[in-house]
Amino acid sequence: ETGVTQTPRHLVMGMTNKKSLKCEQHLGHNAMYWYKQSAKKPLELMFVYNFKEQTENNSVPSRFSPECPNSSHLFLHLHTLQPEDSALYLCASSPGQGSYNEQFFGPGTRLTVL
Amino acid sequence: GQNIDQPTEMTATEGAIVQINCTYQTSGFNGLFWYQQHAGEAPTFLSYNVLDGLEEKGRFSSFLSRSKGYSYLLLKELQMKDSASYLCAVMDSNYQLIWGAGTKLIIKP
Repeated sequence: ETGVTQTPRHLVMGMTNKKSLKCEQHLGHNAMYWYKQSAKKPLELMFVYNFKEQTENNSVPSRFSPECPNSSHLFLHLHTLQPEDSALYLCASSPGQGSYNEQFFGPGTRLTVL
Repeated sequence: GQNIDQPTEMTATEGAIVQINCTYQTSGFNGLFWYQQHAGEAPTFLSYNVLDGLEEKGRFSSFLSRSKGYSYLLLKELQMKDSASYLCAVMDSNYQLIWGAGTKLIIKP
């Protein structure tokens, strides 16, 4: 238990569906992250929020839409996804951005797009 | 471009020692992290190096040479529970983590 929870743990959706992934951290951290993890590939940073403000968007397609209503919650809204978007989506948090800010990860949502 | 290289898979015997190497080329350097990830679970933090040298933490040690762009994770007295993927990540000049693809470590009895 890392103090970061994610729901749902598994999600299967069609290409025309709209769904949302939820992340919550109970660590009092100020920075939150969305990563995509595909088999045998490096973790890909998607979005970063620091003090609720988006500070990074690493050229992520617009079919992924993040939302950070407060420092404890982070959402990833999904719509009209493609099969190649199937992956493990990991949420992480850290005390802030900067050197030696260890990131704490949630267990991830395993997403399958049919 | 930025690049982190580590072996895809390694096999070792229970009770033995294994060294997992990581080489990197990044724009700037603000530290190197090692994480452990068991199958189907979240990555968990193992170590952080920002200065050259060896950091020891129990059975695990991590070494850094900034001039060579090189790090290794040393695992001693291997146990079956050490079977996992080990992820190397470097924090670049923008304080973003650049990740390697991970090394899957298989421990045999």
